This record gives sequence, structure tokens and C-alpha cells, in this order.
Amino acid sequence: DAKTTQPPSMDCAEGRAANLPCNHSTISGNEYVYWYRQIHSQGPQYIIHGLKNNETNEMASLIITEDRKSSTLILPHATLRDTAVYYCIVRGNYGGSQGNLIFGKGTKLSVKP
Amino acid sequence: DGGITQSPKYLFRKEGQNVTLSCEQNLNHDAMYWYRQDPGQGLRLIYYSQIVNDFQKGDIAEGYSVSREKKESFPLTVTSAQKNPTAFYLCASSIDGVFLSNQPQHFGDGTRLSIL
Repeated sequence: DAKTTQPPSMDCAEGRAANLPCNHSTISGNEYVYWYRQIHSQGPQYIIHGLKNNETNEMASLIITEDRKSSTLILPHATLRDTAVYYCIVRGNYGGSQGNLIFGKGTKLSVKP
Repeated sequence: DGGITQSPKYLFRKEGQNVTLSCEQNLNHDAMYWYRQDPGQGLRLIYYSQIVNDFQKGDIAEGYSVSREKKESFPLTVTSAQKNPTAFYLCASSIDGVFLSNQPQHFGDGTRLSIL
């Protein structure tokens, strides 16, 4: 089972920031938070990941709370092409298949004109 | 451009027939993976490989087989023993260490397999 909880859907106006929340209250100290997105009929696209510090790259920013029990993915200026299902995944450096990516239901983000 | 190429995009299989899905990467990644995705569901791990000539079963390996003879290639065979093969199959790769690293996995665009 996924270790994360996300809202099933969100809307965002084009050009505005999209803030996608994720709860991971049972996260362990060595587990990272990863974000992927999937556009229909395509493979998941890696967005960003982090351990405890906030992270930023060309696609998005990741804000992790101090207690690490929740995080927020921020798309600073959402476009129509950002419409996708966004997955928040918690994963540690475990050996074997225990460390594989477990995708839950994700959040379907709809960016509207 | 560097990336992961899966082929074909769509594949149809007759009952009792084995089919092989191709996955090639030019990212120089050591680790490669196969996942299966069913409609409205998350991904489930079929097989993974940490290095050439080595691979391990994932959570749902029954009815599937793989090989890893070259670093850049990790083909998946769906055998007739797989009773419910209709699904979206995704190949991924990561720089190193399979699950012993925090490096992210990068995915191909998938192969959609259907039974005739």
C-alpha cells in the first residue's frame, strides 16, 4: 500500500501557481519524498525529490515540513500541459524489491484556461 | 537525446502466444526495471536488474521472464503462463544500485498489450 495521502483532484487556473499537498505521516528517517506525474497513455515523468530540505529545479519546487510528515509540490506558473496525475511517493534505500516505487492513486490536476 | 525507448507502443497477443517487449536506454544507467500498470491502478514491479547478467523477481514475476545481456537493453517476455496479460507495461532505469540509492527512476512511454 502507498504510504502517502493525496487529494484525488485539484483545479488550477493557467498561469497561477499549483500547490499539490501530500501527507506522509509515517515516513522514516531515511526515506525520501519523490514526485512524478503521468499524462494519459504516457510513462511517469520524474519531477523532483528530497529528504528534508526544500528543493527546486527547472520544473518545480518541493517544500517539506520540518517534521517531514507532509510536503507540497509547487508548479510556479501552471500551463495547460501540466494537466496530469501527480504522484507523491515515499521510498527508502532498502535492498531488494522493498525499495520499489509504490504509486498510489495520485492527484489529478486540471489546469484551466 | 538520451532516454528510454520502449517498443512497440501497442502490441496484440493471441491466446497461448509468447510476446517480447523491448526496452532500450542510452543513459548509461546500471539499473533497469519492468512495471505493470492496470487501469486506474498504481504500478506493480515485475522484474528488476542491478547490473548486466543479473536480475531479480519483483512482486508479480509469475508468467514473465527477462534477460540482461547488455547494459542498455532489458527485454521482457510475457509468456502464455501469464493468465491476465492485458495491461500497460512500463520500463524504467536509474543510475545505480537499484533500491540502494536515492537516485530517481526514469520511465519510457510504455507498451500497451492486449489479448485478441
